[in-house]
Amino acid sequence: DAGVTQSPTHLIKTRGQQVTLRCSPKSGHDTVSWYQQALGQGPQFIFQYYEEEERQRGNFPDRFSGHQFPNYSSELNVNALLLGDSALYLCASSLRGASGNTIYFGEGSWLTVV
Amino acid sequence: GQNIDQPTEMTATEGAIVQINCTYQTSGFNGLFWYQQHAGEAPTFLSYNVLDGLEEKGRFSSFLSRSKGYSYLLLKELQMKDSASYLCAVRDRAGGGNKLTFGTGTQLKVEL
Repeated sequence: DAGVTQSPTHLIKTRGQQVTLRCSPKSGHDTVSWYQQALGQGPQFIFQYYEEEERQRGNFPDRFSGHQFPNYSSELNVNALLLGDSALYLCASSLRGASGNTIYFGEGSWLTVV
Repeated sequence: GQNIDQPTEMTATEGAIVQINCTYQTSGFNGLFWYQQHAGEAPTFLSYNVLDGLEEKGRFSSFLSRSKGYSYLLLKELQMKDSASYLCAVRDRAGGGNKLTFGTGTQLKVEL
């Protein structure tokens, strides 16, 4: 049973470019959240998707957008990249409304903006 | 909103016991998580508390007091490989699911 998978693992982009990160949730999970973790900080919640819609959003600008597909996989898109967008981007999956410890994190995508 | 505080850094000796504290102020509460994160890696789950009291799992234990907005992670018989960042995270009632608010992490250094 595959856990949460993310791609790509590492990537380098130039300021002003756009990037798309991908996440496949753990089998049986229908809810995906994205987090940004800057160096030396804890992960910051970006947004959460279930039923193919954005349900909650953290304090991130509109340059950050996402999508969830019918198979529950998800994409995170960041437009007009800034140097400050350099971070580890984490995907977490669970069942909608789940309680208890049922949150699984992927290995993350390291984004470097130069 | 949520506010989570934990010490920035701690140092301890191999074989010793260390306690990492976490205080939180939340508009709702639906569980507190502790994660371990080694440099360059993703967070890995350590413990989960939703009711008051102590949860023990091998060398790791976690305590929660909801009335005090307080938790701690206790690491026993410290090993060099325990050198890592330890993240405290809270799930609020409104979000549920996998929406967590994290502290900035406590960087633990284990020395000989």
